[in-house]
Amino acid sequence: NAGVTQTPKFRVLKTGQSMTLLCAQDMNHEYMYWYRQDPGMGLRLIHYSVGEGTTAKGEVPDGYNVSRLKKQNFLLGLESAAPSQTSVYFCASSKQGVRETQYFGPGTRLLVL
Amino acid sequence: AQTVTQSQPEMSVQEAETVTLSCTYDTSESDYYLFWYKQPPSRQMILVIRQEAYKQQNATENRFSVNFQKAAKSFSLKISDSQLGDAAMYFCAYRTSYLGGSQGNLIFGKGTKLSVKP
Repeated sequence: NAGVTQTPKFRVLKTGQSMTLLCAQDMNHEYMYWYRQDPGMGLRLIHYSVGEGTTAKGEVPDGYNVSRLKKQNFLLGLESAAPSQTSVYFCASSKQGVRETQYFGPGTRLLVL
Repeated sequence: AQTVTQSQPEMSVQEAETVTLSCTYDTSESDYYLFWYKQPPSRQMILVIRQEAYKQQNATENRFSVNFQKAAKSFSLKISDSQLGDAAMYFCAYRTSYLGGSQGNLIFGKGTKLSVKP
């Protein structure tokens, strides 16, 4: 049982390049989330999903797209990376319902030059 | 909108001593959840403790306990018998109990960096 895993762990992009971050969970969780963490800040919600095939915007969605084609995977895409997207990205998942605890992946560090 | 404030950017404690980290929050809701997460240098977010707002009893997990003051909207974390492994960033987080909106996403404070001196 690996919990929540993220791929890649670290990536360097040039401005304008695109990439996809993969989040996978093996706990059969319904809900999945993408957060970003900037220096001196707590985590902020980018997008979330309450089930396969459904996604919704969070607090800071601009410049990102997401997809949840399979229940266990939640992808975060950057179509045209910008230096402002340099951050650490965390994926989290939980069982259905707001009472449930969120479990986090190890994070992906992204540097956009 | 709910907000979470951690007024102590950095704290320091001697090994084996006790330290308290502060957290205040703002909400108009009556039912919600509060959490403390630990983030060591590995960056992994680890749940330390959680508190349901409808419960009057303060949550405890081994050396970790909270002082939950609902009327004051205060949620402090006490670490007893501090250990070197407790050194980390600690984040306070709020989660609504109501469905809808962002389906219960966590709202985080900016964190407190805890150092433990041997």
